[in-house]
Amino acid sequence: AQSVTQPDIHITVSEGASLELRCNYSYGATPYLFWYVQSPGQGLQLLLKYFSGDTLVQGIKGFEAEFKRSQSSFNLRKPSVHWSDAAEYFCAVGILVTSGTYKYIFGTGTRLKVLA
Amino acid sequence: GAVVSQHPSRVICKSGTSVKIECRSLDFQATTMFWYRQFPKQSLMLMATSNEGSKATYEQGVEKDKFLINHASLTLSTLTVTSAHPEDSSFYICSARRSYNEQFFGPGTRLTVL
Repeated sequence: AQSVTQPDIHITVSEGASLELRCNYSYGATPYLFWYVQSPGQGLQLLLKYFSGDTLVQGIKGFEAEFKRSQSSFNLRKPSVHWSDAAEYFCAVGILVTSGTYKYIFGTGTRLKVLA
Repeated sequence: GAVVSQHPSRVICKSGTSVKIECRSLDFQATTMFWYRQFPKQSLMLMATSNEGSKATYEQGVEKDKFLINHASLTLSTLTVTSAHPEDSSFYICSARRSYNEQFFGPGTRLTVL
């Protein structure tokens, strides 16, 4: 069955420190992968996506992610975290359905706390 | 571009009443929209796929008679929670498909059933 695993429920980092959020997926075909950020009580904002091509993907707000097929991973990274990055982060995989469209399967999320 | 709106953003209703939530794609046409439910501090769970002009496809375990979905136009899908009960209280998020593998999400609707 298709699934997305985010092993870290909570992560705390100091402002200015580097960040890596882990994401592993289970899907038999070529995955479409996404990272979203959600602030409390808000909807989802797309940080970046991977469809094909270069496995290192650049996103907004200084985030990047690397697709590693051999490890079934799509980890999110940022070299220097800002206090405003504190939020919930969701990894998702697009699953092809019979109608020809994709539905998304989300991970359980990682809540990031940033210390001043 | 690619803006999706939801209305209302918050709604409080009494147990037993029905509540309608609208999802609109403002600057693109969406033949497919999706409805998700998110419990506090949990992930998004796909409830159903809404297709313009046809019946919605519900995920396993979602009561289609409880959560009525109508996708009457290329820019509007509605979710009606019928005979709402406190356990239906949740954050409901819609998304609209712009291309075959890309969705854009609305800001969500907080439903509280008293």
